[in-house]
Amino acid sequence: KNQVEQSPQSLIILEGKNCTLQCNYTVSPFSNLRWYKQDTGRGPVSLTIMTFSENTKSNGRYTATLDADTKQSSLHITASQLSDSASYICVVRNNNAGNMLTFGGGTRLMVKP
Amino acid sequence: ETGVTQTPRHLVMGMTNKKSLKCEQHLGHNAMYWYKQSAKKPLELMFVYNFKEQTENNSVPSRFSPECPNSSHLFLHLHTLQPEDSALYLCASSQESGDSYNEQFFGPGTRLTVL
Repeated sequence: KNQVEQSPQSLIILEGKNCTLQCNYTVSPFSNLRWYKQDTGRGPVSLTIMTFSENTKSNGRYTATLDADTKQSSLHITASQLSDSASYICVVRNNNAGNMLTFGGGTRLMVKP
Repeated sequence: ETGVTQTPRHLVMGMTNKKSLKCEQHLGHNAMYWYKQSAKKPLELMFVYNFKEQTENNSVPSRFSPECPNSSHLFLHLHTLQPEDSALYLCASSQESGDSYNEQFFGPGTRLTVL
């Protein structure tokens, strides 16, 4: 069964600190993995997409990594800001006829001043 | 903004009411989606439309009835809902539903409460 597990479920950090969110998946065959940011009261917005051959990709202060062998991804946030407070959702797409998406439960991040 | 709008943003309804959720995308996409997001649960895909044709119904109860009159508009008609249907309903669109790398653009959602 295709699954995406994210950890931690929630996280509180101080402004300016770094943090790393984890995503483990069992989706197979693998096509790609996206990290979304969902602000409270809004829909998710894509931060980055990782394909099988990519190990790391950055988008400003966000850096995503992918280890396709261990089926793990991480999202590292550098020098956190109050506006980073949101839910971060890992979504994995499989590479079969359905191209189905499997969503993780998200990590709720709160950045405090 | 993502180019996907949803109305209403908040809706409270009784179990015997009939209401409709509306989604409109201004991105020229051909695929549209309905998702349900419940507290502390992953997003659940409900319906997929590609070029106005329904291509997926993820075992959704018949009290939810989608309608896609054209590629820019998507509706979700609601009737005789249950309290457990209370959730955030998200609409999304993408260029096509079958492309592996198409990004889905989400609307802000409708927060539904069923009393």
